[in-house]
Amino acid sequence: GAGVSQSPRYKVAKRGRDVALRCDSISGHVTLYWYRQTLGQGSEVLTYSQSDAQRDKSGRPSGRFSAERPERSVSTLKIQRTEQGDSAVYLCASSPRQLAKNIQYFGAGTRLSVL
Amino acid sequence: AQTVTQSQPEMSVQEAETVTLSCTYDTSESDYYLFWYKQPPSRQMILVIRQEAYKQQNATENRFSVNFQKAAKSFSLKISDSQLGDAAMYFCAYRRLNNNAGNMLTFGGGTRLMVKP
Repeated sequence: GAGVSQSPRYKVAKRGRDVALRCDSISGHVTLYWYRQTLGQGSEVLTYSQSDAQRDKSGRPSGRFSAERPERSVSTLKIQRTEQGDSAVYLCASSPRQLAKNIQYFGAGTRLSVL
Repeated sequence: AQTVTQSQPEMSVQEAETVTLSCTYDTSESDYYLFWYKQPPSRQMILVIRQEAYKQQNATENRFSVNFQKAAKSFSLKISDSQLGDAAMYFCAYRRLNNNAGNMLTFGGGTRLMVKP
């Protein structure tokens, strides 16, 4: 019965290093999303996957962002060569099916600070 | 591309009073969904209320209701009888009705609601 869980809650990284953020979604959910939330600018989707397929959302620069789904209910967002502009809260969300009416359930987010 | 705008970065309300949070959006679609999400400090976003664009009747969930003006592309949230627990960031969000690319949400910048005892 647990909701969407994200780890770590806080991450500090040196500029240029790679980071990996984990999301454990609700069991049985099919679609996983990663959003980036910046203060005053809302949240933008980074990527999503349906079941085992990974589909990237266009718009992220230079392909430094990618997500893997090693298990059906687990997703890892990887950010390569972090930049200071990557500092944000990264939100994971999942939904039961790829149907229009289904809502998304969010985790509490990982706050990434790039120094 | 769709955009969502929340023009009020912060709002405050006295406990037990009513407050309205504004949201406007831009889309060329005729059918879509609109949402209000609540995000308490350091906690996950939870869905407050949802509106289908093809429904003329405004959605209501207990103390929360919306004023959906489709022609004006406006979707405001009214919180009645405000409680201390309503203090949070509120995000307005848009989603296309059928999106084979994954039904992603487009969010506004958020409004921080403070509730004064």
